[in-house]
Amino acid sequence: GNSVTQMEGPVTLSEEAFLTINCTYTATGYPSLFWYVQYPGEGLQLLLKATKADDKGSNKGFEATYRKETTSFHLEKGSVQVSDSAVYFCALTSYSSASKIIFGSGTRLSIRP
Amino acid sequence: GAVVSQHPSWVICKSGTSVKIECRSLDFQATTMFWYRQFPKQSLMLMATSNEGSKATYEQGVEKDKFLINHASLTLSTLTVTSAHPEDSSFYICSAPPSGGERGTDTQYFGPGTRLTVL
Repeated sequence: GNSVTQMEGPVTLSEEAFLTINCTYTATGYPSLFWYVQYPGEGLQLLLKATKADDKGSNKGFEATYRKETTSFHLEKGSVQVSDSAVYFCALTSYSSASKIIFGSGTRLSIRP
Repeated sequence: GAVVSQHPSWVICKSGTSVKIECRSLDFQATTMFWYRQFPKQSLMLMATSNEGSKATYEQGVEKDKFLINHASLTLSTLTVTSAHPEDSSFYICSAPPSGGERGTDTQYFGPGTRLTVL
C-alpha cells in the first residue's frame, strides 16, 4: 500500500541555518505530494504541494521538488526563522486511494534565536 | 482561503459518557470529510471517511459502533465517541476536500482539532 517515510526528529537549528527535511514515499500510480505544517496549538495548514513529477512546490521560502526517480519530496529552506518552529508532515494522496491522505510521522523543528 | 471549523475545541468528560464533535466547512461544500486522531507527538491516523447521504467507511481497526459518524449535510459532519474511556483521550481532527475538486490531487482543508480528555 501507499506509505510515507520522513526524517526522524526533533531537529534543532540556529536562525538563518539551511533546512532539509527528508521525505520518501511508496505509492502505486501517480500520487500528489504535500507538506503540511502544524504550529504550536494550531491545526494543520497546507505549506506546499506538487501534483506531478518534476513539479516544485514553494511557499514562505520553503521548497520541495517531486522526484519520481528517487520517490522523494524533500523539504528545504535556505534561511530558517524562529517563527518556522513547528511540526512538519509530509503526505500523499492519490486517485486510487480516493483522496485519503497518508501522513508521514512528522518532524518537529525548533529554531534557536 | 477555505475554512473548516470544529466544535468544541476541547472537552472533558467522565468515563462512560458520549461526546459529539462537529466539523463544518464554512465557505464550501464537502460531500466527503475525513476524521483523524492524533496522539501526543505522533502523526495523524485516519479513522474514517464521512460521506454525505451514505454510511461512513471506517479504517481497519476502528470500531464503527464506538465512533459514530453522521454526515448530515454538505457542510456538516459529526463524530460521536460513545461510552468514552480514558484511552479515547486524544486530539480529533477533521478535514474536507471541496466538492468538485479533482480526486486525489486537490488540497484538503483541516479543522483546528478537538482535544478530548476522558476522566
